[in-house]
Amino acid sequence: GAGVSQTPSNKVTEKGKYVELRCDPISGHTALYWYRQSLGQGPEFLIYFQGTGAADDSGLPNDRFFAVRPEGSVSTLKIQRTERGDSAVYLCASSATGLAGGTDTQYFGPGTRLTVL
Amino acid sequence: AQSVSQHNHHVILSEAASLELGCNYSYGGTVNLFWYVQYPGQHLQLLLKYFSGDPLVKGIKGFEAEFIKSKFSFNLRKPSVQWSDTAEYFCAVNAPWTVGGADGLTFGKGTHLIIQP
Repeated sequence: GAGVSQTPSNKVTEKGKYVELRCDPISGHTALYWYRQSLGQGPEFLIYFQGTGAADDSGLPNDRFFAVRPEGSVSTLKIQRTERGDSAVYLCASSATGLAGGTDTQYFGPGTRLTVL
Repeated sequence: AQSVSQHNHHVILSEAASLELGCNYSYGGTVNLFWYVQYPGQHLQLLLKYFSGDPLVKGIKGFEAEFIKSKFSFNLRKPSVQWSDTAEYFCAVNAPWTVGGADGLTFGKGTHLIIQP
């Protein structure tokens, strides 16, 4: 596609529920990133995929958060037993290779606004 | 781990004024530096980036930034702002070739810039 797309754009859920957030990267981009942006803060890195594998998941806050990218394109961020503190905008980005020593431009999607009641 | 500080959280300027937004990072090794912008209702997009060479980097829409290694700074500048520059500006850094985190960006908290006509 022309850019990174994310669905849904908004998600409201209740505390304790499970949610899945989807990211469609730019076609052909092998690197994919998830970030979380809380109100008044900059985006916070969660996880980075190189192809199908998670090359760096050091930013995932705890084991309730998990992400997959089974075919090396679309990725799903999964949050179990959601808590009110998980409320934030979840951003996805992709870059062409992710192998240029960090110099690749990351192209961001519009984000999914998650609200946990 | 690296961190990024943006000292001005809110800046209000009149059209045609000159702009300088501060950004300092903390990391002793080689870094890649980025400025991203988020216009109202739009997603994050890259303004400019630095990874090597001339420390004065020119980006889109007349923006530039200067990398000063001794000061760990990467300030964003524009000689004459326009009303359309109203947006949120984020400085970001990554550290290439570090273990477990070469490509994930570390963002500052952002500067909300308002240009008054």
